[in-house]
Amino acid sequence: DVKVTQSSRYLVKRTGEKVFLECVQDMDHENMFWYRQDPGLGLRLIYFSYDVKMKEKGDIPEGYSVSREKKERFSLILESASTNQTSMYLCASSLFRTKGNEQFFGPGTRLTVL
Amino acid sequence: EDQVTQSPEALRLQEGESSSLNCSYTVSGLRGLFWYRQDPGKGPEFLFTLYSAGEEKEKERLKATLTKKESFLHITAPKPEDSATYLCAVQGRGSSGGSYIPTFGRGTSLIVHP
Repeated sequence: DVKVTQSSRYLVKRTGEKVFLECVQDMDHENMFWYRQDPGLGLRLIYFSYDVKMKEKGDIPEGYSVSREKKERFSLILESASTNQTSMYLCASSLFRTKGNEQFFGPGTRLTVL
Repeated sequence: EDQVTQSPEALRLQEGESSSLNCSYTVSGLRGLFWYRQDPGKGPEFLFTLYSAGEEKEKERLKATLTKKESFLHITAPKPEDSATYLCAVQGRGSSGGSYIPTFGRGTSLIVHP
């Protein structure tokens, strides 16, 4: 079974702190994604990566950056956390770059910024 | 631009009362249509992939069907444990030939009363 793990289930941070969210997948998937999910807004794509050291902006990249130094690991960084970044953060991975294929999601990190 | 609309937003059923959830979509060159189940506070869990009109997939009480414009998730004799949010997503050809970015609908929240 594909497994996607995220470093924390719950995080509480203060405004202005630098926040690291880490995601690891164990099935050699090419693609990795970071989403945030808010009530009434659905899933919104922040960044994605289709290869090591490659990254592309999604729909809402402002205030975030990412890092993919190894194929199995994709990190999301909030450079200076703000209260409007309080949300559920979901990492996902998928196998192929150009073929229709499903995503596998991690359990999510509920981030609260005070 | 790919688009996905799910209806209804919320659905309440009595145990055993069969019904269907709708996913209407527009996509350039369908590579796959996906259904996910999401329990509160957790990441989405993959259910089905459909690739072409006329295709059907089944799993326990769930059956997914696909036409050129919409997909249905039929729930037969639901039980309270089927209560969850059901998400639909499509993956198209993409502007540059790459197709690894799915477009998600907002989901249907299903509650099954005992």
